[in-house]
Amino acid sequence: GIQVEQSPPDLILQEGANSTLRCNFSDSVNNLQWFHQNPWGQLINLFYIPSGTKQNGRLSATTVATERYSLLYISSSQTTDSGVYFCAVPVRGGATNKLIFGTGTLLAVQP
Amino acid sequence: NAGVTQTPKFQVLKTGQSMTLQCAQDMNHEYMSWYRQDPGMGLRLIHYSVGAGITDQGEVPNGYNVSRSTTEDFPLRLLSAAPSQTSVYFCASSFGGSPLHFGNGTRLTVT
Repeated sequence: GIQVEQSPPDLILQEGANSTLRCNFSDSVNNLQWFHQNPWGQLINLFYIPSGTKQNGRLSATTVATERYSLLYISSSQTTDSGVYFCAVPVRGGATNKLIFGTGTLLAVQP
Repeated sequence: NAGVTQTPKFQVLKTGQSMTLQCAQDMNHEYMSWYRQDPGMGLRLIHYSVGAGITDQGEVPNGYNVSRSTTEDFPLRLLSAAPSQTSVYFCASSFGGSPLHFGNGTRLTVT
C-alpha cells in the first residue's frame, strides 16, 4: 500500500522562527490533507490541498503531486503552534476520507 | 454548531467486557470513519462508511464492529475488549472531496 513519511520527526523552535515540514508519499494521490494535533489532543484540519499552494494566515502548504511531496510552512511561529503535525493521503482507489496518515512531526515552540 | 461529537471522553474496561463508543455529526456528512491513535504510529483507520447502511473495513478492523443506521450516527463496538485495544479513538466525518473533521476523541484503557 501507499507509504507516507514525514520529516523531521521532531523540531524545537524559538518563538518567531520559521519552519518547513515535509510529507513524502509513495504513490500518486488525488488529495492531501494536513492536520494539527494540539497538546490537548484535538485534531484540526489545516489544509485540504491536492496540488498547488494554499495560505491561511501564518501557515501555508504546497503540494507537488507529480513529485509526490507536500510542504507545510509555518512563519513567525508562536507557542500555540506547538503540537503534532500530520499529513494524510487517501488509500489508493479509496474515497476521500479513507486516509493513510504519516507518523507526524512533533513541534515545540519555546517562548 | 456541535460538529463531530464523541462520547464518552474516557473509559476504563476490564478484559472481556464490551462497550460502544458513540459518534454523532450534525453536518449531514455522508462519509464517517473511525481511527485509533497509538504512540509513534500516527492514526490508523479501523472502519469506514460512505452512507447509511454502507460500511467497510479499514487497516485494523479486527475486534471492532460498526453499523450506520442513520446519516448522523456511527457507533464503534468492542465485543470483547483486549489490552491491545488500549488507545485513543477518533471519529471523523466529511463530504466527498472535502476536508476531514474529527471529534475530540475517546481515551480507552483496557486492564
